[in-house]
Amino acid sequence: ILNVEQSPQSLHVQEGDSTNFTCSFPSSNFYALHWYRWETAKSPEALFVMTLNGDEKKKGRISATLNTKEGYSYLYIKGSQPEDSATYLCAPYNNAGNMLTFGGGTRLMVKP
Amino acid sequence: NAGVTQTPKFQVLKTGQSMTLQCAQDMNHNSMYWYRQDPGMGLRLIYYSASEGTTDKGEVPNGYNVSRLNKREFSLRLESAAPSQTSVYFCASSERTGGGVADTQYFGPGTRLTVL
Repeated sequence: ILNVEQSPQSLHVQEGDSTNFTCSFPSSNFYALHWYRWETAKSPEALFVMTLNGDEKKKGRISATLNTKEGYSYLYIKGSQPEDSATYLCAPYNNAGNMLTFGGGTRLMVKP
Repeated sequence: NAGVTQTPKFQVLKTGQSMTLQCAQDMNHNSMYWYRQDPGMGLRLIYYSASEGTTDKGEVPNGYNVSRLNKREFSLRLESAAPSQTSVYFCASSERTGGGVADTQYFGPGTRLTVL
């Protein structure tokens, strides 16, 4: 079982602010890292799958970077909007490469 | 195209009762998964099925059984429910046989289970 840490646990920002949060995971035996967005009362939805060191992915105002050598990924949101309010989950594959291990998530609340 | 569906949405059980949570997907996916989500913790994998006819234990399998009835359906059974099994249960599916490290998982709406 991997030790996956996400920080901060929660974050309050004003509409229009840019923000970022971190996912840390063991750097050995890295396979892939998934990011999911989970709105309250809905199902988690996939944002990105990242596999290579130095990967950068972008979807609208949300982007992510990956550093597999040091074991971390950053998720950035530019110009936060109230509809960005959600819990953001990261999940690397375990060291056997057969299951995702989810972090506890970062809960983002964007105030209008 | 409904994606991943789960029934029931809510359930209350007494300690020792049994029940089966149902999951179905209409995306022709090969792999299916059951997770539980508890406050302050991430999603934890209970069981998964890498293809029709196969099932494997995940991180927290104790107290659960699963059946991959066919390609579409993957059920989770609690034989003798315990208060520690109070949780929100999510089913998910992904396209490839065996999942694969880059295979996106698609989640159902969840079942909120309370065991008294």
